[in-house]
Amino acid sequence: GAVVSQHPSWVICKSGTSVKIECRSLDFQATTMFWYRQFPKQSLMLMATSNEGSKATYEQGVEKDKFLINHASLTLSTLTVTSAHPEDSSFYICSARTVGGGPLSGANVLTFGAGSRLTVL
Amino acid sequence: GENVEQHPSTLSVQEGDSAVIKCTYSDSASNYFPWYKQELGKRPQLIIDIRSNVGEKKDQRIAVTLNKTAKHFSLHITETQPEDSAVYFCAASKRASGGSYIPTFGRGTSLIVHP
Repeated sequence: GAVVSQHPSWVICKSGTSVKIECRSLDFQATTMFWYRQFPKQSLMLMATSNEGSKATYEQGVEKDKFLINHASLTLSTLTVTSAHPEDSSFYICSARTVGGGPLSGANVLTFGAGSRLTVL
Repeated sequence: GENVEQHPSTLSVQEGDSAVIKCTYSDSASNYFPWYKQELGKRPQLIIDIRSNVGEKKDQRIAVTLNKTAKHFSLHITETQPEDSAVYFCAASKRASGGSYIPTFGRGTSLIVHP
């Protein structure tokens, strides 16, 4: 089935530095990818929708200058956390839309990456 | 925008018992309701979904029900097994202008099945 590869899975950085997270669709093209942030024991909060070849669409309250999204090709979207601070520490997870098979045939499936745990010291 | 409430936040059952997770949504235009399962340390995966034109859908031990009038939907797991232990997320979505569905997720329910 469709696979979304996300790297790095863990990153620790100093306050003030920038961190880039990559999300790749393997064996399929994704014109749209979604970036989520997940706090411990909380839900998946949509941060932005990444669109290949155009600007990302950010959710209300998400700073676009803080979380830079680039979707340069049909298989790669990147999220850059600029000038990271401790409050940016979180679990970031990307996803791409695929179509389900088997019992989920025809379903609008979000295929998730494995996530990236960011810790800002 | 859409607001999805999910209860309970934690559910502990004995193996073989049934488990029910309930969600409510606010946007009456929502018409697609997927459920995702996230095992510890793994990525969320779609396990079942339901569209607004049906009231119930079943796949082996899991079933979903939808009450459009009341704007609530539920996940039912029968004969629970330890491998059902995970965090379950409900979501509600509608078709956006570009033709895609962007779900709004509930807070998740941590299901623990004791052997």
